[in-house]
Amino acid sequence: QKEVEQDPGPLSVPEGAIVSLNCTYSNSAFQYFMWYRQYSRKGPELLMYTYSSGNKEDGRFTAQVDKSSKYISLFIRDSQPSDSATYLCAMSLIQGAQKLVFGQGTRLTINP
Amino acid sequence: KAGVTQTPRYLIKTRGQQVTLSCSPISGHRSVSWYQQTPGQGLQFLFEYFSETQRNKGNFPGRFSGRQFSNSRSEMNVSTLELGDSALYLCASSLGFQTGDYEQYFGPGTRLTVT
Repeated sequence: QKEVEQDPGPLSVPEGAIVSLNCTYSNSAFQYFMWYRQYSRKGPELLMYTYSSGNKEDGRFTAQVDKSSKYISLFIRDSQPSDSATYLCAMSLIQGAQKLVFGQGTRLTINP
Repeated sequence: KAGVTQTPRYLIKTRGQQVTLSCSPISGHRSVSWYQQTPGQGLQFLFEYFSETQRNKGNFPGRFSGRQFSNSRSEMNVSTLELGDSALYLCASSLGFQTGDYEQYFGPGTRLTVT
């Protein structure tokens, strides 16, 4: 069993929809949680970065961390075709925080 | 501010050869991490360097090695290449543990094909 599980999709939604992306994890010691977006043939781009539990909002993106359930989410409001990409969750421990453990990534397509 | 740069962007090598990949971090970033991305295994951590010292290492064989220079630029080397080493190799930089800022920013990657 992988430490971080993420539904690979693919996920296809119409433009303007609210998108919900999720990851579950098994290691309760994870403290840093990130979401990256990766376009085809590009490197991952950092979208959201949170420490411990709680919510964080940045424009159309909201990240939620529920440590009690070992569950993190990324919500995208008013989705745009330019949001079509693979979304990767990542997390790390306090000790060795640079060592990110990634989910498999969810391929998202926003249809105009 | 320029982002993370990686060279070369594409490489084709033959089994048994060795390869060296280069990474220049964002100016001011002292931590450099390397990851391997494959369709089957996803993104996996290789190692991290800070101030020329390896601080963390992933579960890869000793054929994978790296180093960091005094200007924070980093190289990784893979010796005795195997077909399974074909992957996108990504470098990420951050300010590092001394600042408590662990946000990692990735470069475009080097796509290595082993034939």
